[in-house]
Amino acid sequence: KAGVTQTPRYLIKTRGQQVTLSCSPISGHRSVSWYQQTPGQGLQFLFEYFSETQRNKGNFPGRFSGRQFSNSRSEMNVSTLELGDSALYLCASSEVLAGGSTGELFFGEGSRLTVL
Amino acid sequence: KNEVEQSPQNLTAQEGEFITINCSYSVGISALHWLQQHPGGGIVSLFMLSSGKKKHGRLIATINIQEKHSSLHITASHPRDSAVYICAVPPPLDASGSRLTFGEGTQLTVNP
Repeated sequence: KAGVTQTPRYLIKTRGQQVTLSCSPISGHRSVSWYQQTPGQGLQFLFEYFSETQRNKGNFPGRFSGRQFSNSRSEMNVSTLELGDSALYLCASSEVLAGGSTGELFFGEGSRLTVL
Repeated sequence: KNEVEQSPQNLTAQEGEFITINCSYSVGISALHWLQQHPGGGIVSLFMLSSGKKKHGRLIATINIQEKHSSLHITASHPRDSAVYICAVPPPLDASGSRLTFGEGTQLTVNP
């Protein structure tokens, strides 16, 4: 099976711009979660999508949004970029277990965003 | 929100040593994740466990639900085990179990 694919791997933007990141999950995985990793805050949960619906959301401002398509691929968007948005953005896909909870996480390599 | 504490923050060992990394959390959970992150950022899931003990090769993870504590053990450590090890837990009443809170990580360095 192919792993989780994130694109782009690296990108540079300027303040005020917006960015869209893409995540293709492992085939058959219907849950996609997004995380932000910064040196100061560590790893933080952004949101999770399952069956094209946002099922869970972390404590991030509305500038951070996402969506999931019918093939389970997911995108996240950050609008009006700020310097503090510079981070490694990771997505993970997982199966959904019988009770509705997410299973083991499979991570992509991440998208490293630099905001100048 | 679940508070997660890992110890130690940094750990240096000699090749062959037995390693233990600890993780404590504040409230009851459905499952706990142990993750490994190598330089460059890639994260690999090592274990997801909700009770007892799991073993994969030289790695062993245990969890004590009553004490809200988990340990990750590495037997016969090797320089390729050098990485950051992170535990993560969901909050209580999170049916999806996806809204994870992460520990700060343990930087492990194994010297030859």
